[in-house]
Amino acid sequence: GAGVSQTPSNKVTEKGKYVELRCDPISGHTALYWYRQSLGQGPEFLIYFQGTGAADDSGLPNDRFFAVRPEGSVSTLKIQRTERGDSAVYLCASSSPKGELFFGEGSRLTVL
Amino acid sequence: DQQVKQNSPSLSVQEGRISILNCDYTNSMFDYFLWYKKYPAEGPTFLISISSIKDKNEDGRFTVFLNKSAKHLSLHIVPSQPGDSAVYFCAASERGGGSQGNLIFGKGTKLSVKP
Repeated sequence: GAGVSQTPSNKVTEKGKYVELRCDPISGHTALYWYRQSLGQGPEFLIYFQGTGAADDSGLPNDRFFAVRPEGSVSTLKIQRTERGDSAVYLCASSSPKGELFFGEGSRLTVL
Repeated sequence: DQQVKQNSPSLSVQEGRISILNCDYTNSMFDYFLWYKKYPAEGPTFLISISSIKDKNEDGRFTVFLNKSAKHLSLHIVPSQPGDSAVYFCAASERGGGSQGNLIFGKGTKLSVKP
């Protein structure tokens, strides 16, 4: 497709479970970002990939969160031992060479 | 400690009038500022940006003003249209720092344009 694609759009899980969220960026965009948006807040930076490598992971809240982008295109955000506080919309974005971010529609995660 | 602040959670404006959305920041290292617009159940979409070397950038009905000394920027929409009703996020970054996408967002202002 033409835009950033995220799956699943909605995920409900139980506390303690493992979750994977997938992002398919715009073709040709080398930079990919994950953000998290909690209710009533703006998006919060988590991690930034340039190609296959994580150039900046300073926003990951703790070691339960991990992201990969093995082939420099699709990225997966992985959350271990989910907690209720992880409930949020997880946004992925890819960047044009000019630096403008194009966001996907997000994956809404609910941890019961 | 919020580095980007949007102090008005909501704003209501009559169609045809000007909408002014405000944003303040605290980090003097920010050199690039953006506004994003977000409809429900959609991701934010880029609206307009401004570099710190400018004090104004205009794109159609949208104009962003930057006052570096006051660490303040504003988005003007004129004339406002009902389709402009959305949540508007102000964001800032230190582009010179290399992490181009490490944007710091405000909490957003919900704009309602009444017909």
